[in-house]
Amino acid sequence: DAGVIQSPRHEVTEMGQEVTLRCKPISGHDYLFWYRQTMMRGLELLIYFNNNVPIDDSGMPEDRFSAKMPNASFSTLKIQPSEPRDSAVYFCASSLTGSGANVLTFGAGSRLTVL
Amino acid sequence: DAKTTQPPSMDCAEGRAANLPCNHSTISGNEYVYWYRQIHSQGPQYIIHGLKNNETNEMASLIITEDRKSSTLILPHATLRDTAVYYCIVSLSGSGSARQLTFGSGTQLTVLP
Repeated sequence: DAGVIQSPRHEVTEMGQEVTLRCKPISGHDYLFWYRQTMMRGLELLIYFNNNVPIDDSGMPEDRFSAKMPNASFSTLKIQPSEPRDSAVYFCASSLTGSGANVLTFGAGSRLTVL
Repeated sequence: DAKTTQPPSMDCAEGRAANLPCNHSTISGNEYVYWYRQIHSQGPQYIIHGLKNNETNEMASLIITEDRKSSTLILPHATLRDTAVYYCIVSLSGSGSARQLTFGSGTQLTVLP
């Protein structure tokens, strides 16, 4: 398996622009997580899905952020409009129900810079 | 979830065992201890987890004290590639459902040549 695949790896955009980050989880995994990492706040959970349904989105910072999972093999995290404080590395992770539910496999991350 | 306390940094000589401590004095009976690490510029990587008993896998060993208030992650023969931030996390993992993993600031382990 190729692991969790995220795109783009790097994104530089200007304030006010829409940003879409993409994630392909490991085939067969039924949990998908979006995390954000900054120097100031560390790793923060934004939202997670189970069987494509959002379970907990309490970590989504504000209405400018939205996440979808239209099917088991794809998820997006969208920021509209983007702001400089959104600059961070965004990680997607997936896991499988059962004893491994909290054994997350992370992607390589998408580094976002908002100018 | 219970809070964890880890030293901010540790050094270890290459080839020696690295012992990373974690305090979780408020852990409840059904909470697991998880360890992840993050090598610079990469996503976090799962290492090992346990409930009560000591655990070992190909990467590391996890020693949990009898009262479960602390644990130690042991990398038996540290290499330069083990230089990373190591996170100790306590989380419920019941009924096969995932729970939120809260990553603290972790321990920066530096393996010295």
